Amino acid sequence: KAGVTQTPRYLIKTRGQQVTLSCSPISGHRSVSWYQQTPGQGLQFLFEYFSETQRNKGNFPGRFSGRQFSNSRSEMNVSTLELGDSALYLCASSLERGQETQYFGPGTRLLVL
Amino acid sequence: AQSVTQLGSHVSVSEGALVLLRCNYSSSVPPYLFWYVQYPNQGLQLLLKYTSAATLVKGINGFEAEFKKSETSFHLTKPSAHMSDAAEYFCAVVGSGNTGKLIFGQGTTLQVKP
Repeated sequence: KAGVTQTPRYLIKTRGQQVTLSCSPISGHRSVSWYQQTPGQGLQFLFEYFSETQRNKGNFPGRFSGRQFSNSRSEMNVSTLELGDSALYLCASSLERGQETQYFGPGTRLLVL
Repeated sequence: AQSVTQLGSHVSVSEGALVLLRCNYSSSVPPYLFWYVQYPNQGLQLLLKYTSAATLVKGINGFEAEFKKSETSFHLTKPSAHMSDAAEYFCAVVGSGNTGKLIFGQGTTLQVKP
């Protein structure tokens, strides 16, 4: 089976712009979670989607949003980019919710100038 | 609330030496615990997972971890380090409730010296 894929792998944006990141889960996986990784804050949970519904949200401002499609693919959007949004954004998929193992994609590295 | 603490942000060992990476957790319910490894410019790769079936869990690449409830620990070990083990290692616990939220430790960078 193909693993979790994320596009694009690298992005450079300027402050104030918005960005959309895409994640395709492993075939058959229904849950998708997003994480932000930075040197200062480490790995932080952004949100979780299951059956096209956001089930859980981390402590991030409303500029961060996402959605899940009927084929379980997910996108996350960040509006009005700030310098502090520069990070590696990781997507993970699992069969179901709860204690299922999460499998991670390679990430999208976002640089905000 | 669940939390994870990894003791030591950097660990350095010689090739062939024992690797010990420490992880302590806090959980109000029986925890589901994970170790992931991250190589430079890559995502996280699952090393192993504790699900209460056995206290000693074997993972990939010769790694294993022992769950000790009395110590609330889930330390990762490997008998003999290899140069290719140099990476960042993360311990994680699943958040409470039926959630897909993983709570990560701050990570430990493993350096392997020749």
